Amino acid sequence: DIQMTQSPSTLSASVGDRVTITCRASQRISSWLAWYQQKPGKAPKFLIYKASSLQSGVPPRFSGSGSGTEFTLTISSLQPDDFATYYCQQYNSYPYTFGQGTKLEIK
Amino acid sequence: EVQLEESGGGLVQPGGSLRLSCAASGFTFSSYWMAWVRQAPGKGLEWVANIEQDGSEKYYVDSVKGRFTISRDNAKNSLYLQVNSLRVEDTAVYYCARESSGWYRFFNYWGQGTLVTVSS
Repeated sequence: DIQMTQSPSTLSASVGDRVTITCRASQRISSWLAWYQQKPGKAPKFLIYKASSLQSGVPPRFSGSGSGTEFTLTISSLQPDDFATYYCQQYNSYPYTFGQGTKLEIK
Repeated sequence: EVQLEESGGGLVQPGGSLRLSCAASGFTFSSYWMAWVRQAPGKGLEWVANIEQDGSEKYYVDSVKGRFTISRDNAKNSLYLQVNSLRVEDTAVYYCARESSGWYRFFNYWGQGTLVTVSS
């Protein structure tokens, strides 16, 4: 199984900050990586696919990069609505696996 | 608008069974792979199973193989998960998700989830 490891597990930041979350795969997954945002008590929301392609309607302050085993999600200027938990997920092979999540908190 | 609505969750004793359902609307259900993803309380996301458009291919995470069965009824635009021999560690919110098109697929639409609690 491919293990996905996110860092940090928790990130404290302020509105307007630029933040980056890292996701590492235990094996090469090309660019078959997605990012999701989840708020408490809600279903995950799909943000980015193929490592860097933004889902329609997702604000351009979100961006993704990487390939192989190392990936990043960057939010260029944090907005109040962005404080949530973020998950990466590989869809290169079964079983599909998620990172453990990064909780983005207000500083 | 794509909508996915899960039902069938509840409180069940260890060893018990449930049948989870997901009613889909707003898209051509028979054209997409569908999946179940779960989230234990306070924990991360875990893919459980998925099923091909006509139901001929199914895949499961190892921890549920032999206990859970995914199925679909394209005439009813519905996805199901039969969960048997339930364990305390199966306690989770179970989400129905639509996969994207193509060979490499991600989860681009999610339902709101149904809670399964396994406890004596």
